[in-house]
Order: sequence, then C-alpha cells, then structure tokens
Amino acid sequence: GQQVMQIPQYQHVQEGEDFTTYCNSSTTLSNIQWYKQRPGGHPVFLIQLVKSGEVKKQKRLTFQFGEAKKNSSLHITATQTTDVGTYFCAGGGYNFNKFYFGSGTKLNVKP
Amino acid sequence: ETGVTQTPRHLVMGMTNKKSLKCEQHLGHNAMYWYKQSAKKPLELMFVYNFKEQTENNSVPSRFSPECPNSSHLFLHLHTLQPEDSALYLCASSQEGRTGTNYGYTFGSGTRLTVV
Repeated sequence: GQQVMQIPQYQHVQEGEDFTTYCNSSTTLSNIQWYKQRPGGHPVFLIQLVKSGEVKKQKRLTFQFGEAKKNSSLHITATQTTDVGTYFCAGGGYNFNKFYFGSGTKLNVKP
Repeated sequence: ETGVTQTPRHLVMGMTNKKSLKCEQHLGHNAMYWYKQSAKKPLELMFVYNFKEQTENNSVPSRFSPECPNSSHLFLHLHTLQPEDSALYLCASSQEGRTGTNYGYTFGSGTRLTVV
C-alpha cells in the first residue's frame, strides 16, 4: 500500500538556525499538504502543493514539491521558539479521499 | 475555535463502559473523518464519511462504531475498549471535490481518551 515516509523524526536546533523536514512517497502523489501541531494542540493546515516542482513560501517557511511528485520538503529559515511543534506532511493519492500522513518531525528550538 | 468542535475534551472510561465522542463542523464541508493519534502511530485514519456515506473503514475494531447523521455531525461510539485504545481522537472535516480534490483538513481540538 501507499506509504509516506518523513524524516527526521526529531530535530533540535538553536534559535536562528535553519530546519528542514523531508517527505517521501513510494508512489506518485496527486498533491501534498503540510500541517503543524503545537505541543498539546491539534494539526493545523499550512499549505497544499499540487504542481510538479512547485515552490511556495510563507514568510520564513519554504515548501517544495518534487519534479516526480514523490517527495516534498519544508524548510524554515532562522527558526524561532514559536516554530516549536510537530510538522506533518500528508500525501494525496489518486484515489478518492486517500491522504496518507507521514509520521511527523518534532522540532525543538532552544532559545 | 477552528470551526470543528469536539466534545468532550477529556474522557476517562472503564473497559466495560459505553461512551460517545461528538464532533460538529461549522464550515459547510462535505466530508468528515476520525483519526487516532498515539505515540506509536501519529495520525491513523479510522473512518471517512463523504456525502454522509461511510466510504472508508480502515480495519478498525468493531468496539469503535461511527455514526454520521448529517454532513455537520459525526459521532464515535465506544464500547468495551482496551487500555491500548487510550489516545487522542481527532475529528476533521474537509471540502472534497467530486474528482477527489481535497483542499485541506480542518481538525478539531481532539478528545484525550484514557481507558482504565
């Protein structure tokens, strides 16, 4: 079955350092979504990428969708303590309602 | 508030109890979901309701029983649960296009369930 793998599982950075999490699928995705879950909170939708090679930016966050639509990345420039949380990717297959969540990357930012 | 409201926020139940989780969405979405979040499996899809019909049952044990009376309300009925069922249960909704397009899930705050 389709799987979405996400790495790393944990990342500890000093405030001001950059952070990247990667998402890889075993099959071609129709689109990919990214979510952030703060400690004690629930996942919150960040963005959706649909096109091959697409790059989108939200302030210090840069999202990329691979040319083959099998991988994606989220890069945070100059992390802040407010970036702490778990970042999940969710890959959409070509089946109705099928979105597969990655296992998440837990980011800790030391002030 | 996210537009998806879940009650209760916390629930402690014995293995012989019967309880229900409630979810209500105020976004006009046409699909609703139950997810289980635990340390072992971060986001595990349990049930999907699209256009009020159950379209996915991800091999969930029968001690979990979903109910979707309309496109705004979703319930998860619980009975004879096991301690390993302790987890955060998240409800989500989305607007699904007929070609399978999904514009992102809106999650509720979740119910933290502890089975003793």
